[in-house]
Amino acid sequence: GENVGLHLPTLSVQEGDNSIINCAYSNSASDYFIWYKQESGKGPQFIIDIRSNMDKRQGQRVTVLLNKTVKHLSLQIAATQPGDSAVYFCAEVVKTSYDKVIFGPGTSLSVIP
Amino acid sequence: KAGVTQTPRYLIKTRGQQVTLSCSPISGHRSVSWYQQTPGQGLQFLFEYFSETQRNKGNFPGRFSGRQFSNSRSEMNVSTLELGDSALYLCASSLEGSGEKLFFGSGTQLSVL
Repeated sequence: GENVGLHLPTLSVQEGDNSIINCAYSNSASDYFIWYKQESGKGPQFIIDIRSNMDKRQGQRVTVLLNKTVKHLSLQIAATQPGDSAVYFCAEVVKTSYDKVIFGPGTSLSVIP
Repeated sequence: KAGVTQTPRYLIKTRGQQVTLSCSPISGHRSVSWYQQTPGQGLQFLFEYFSETQRNKGNFPGRFSGRQFSNSRSEMNVSTLELGDSALYLCASSLEGSGEKLFFGSGTQLSVL
């Protein structure tokens, strides 16, 4: 199937440090990007999104950066907490005759207490 | 507001059987999408329904089908189950379409023996 994203399956971070999760997308026509967090036993949950006319968007402890030149997306989590341990997916939305959502392979973030 | 509800939570079937999974979207959401998630495979798009019509379909065989009712509730059916169909099946709803922020249910874990 289609996937977006660099293959970075696991990331271990010390509690209190900042985390950076990276994602590459393939389609220049993508104009909307979303990060989801999936905790064990649950479905993915929306974290933050960004439109292609923006380079950066901040939320509570999270920041998404978009570099359209190299088709790269990153999620930064400040002061990582044990509750941040989860799998993180980036998703790109490609505008065609219908909206096509392509999910990345996911990155597993483990926070070391 | 109640979230996306999927039933059943767990299912065990044998090869050759068929299965029906149910999804109740968030009230007011008209779009329902279905995804298959397997270890290491990320999220694979199955199909999207909007106002009782299949609007978008992924690359899955015809054994996978779905439908949406007038109250936006959706079901998906898998016939002639294969071992490889073992997966977490996730339903997601949104107001107008899968190109928006998606709200996921907790999924149905299907095991095919």
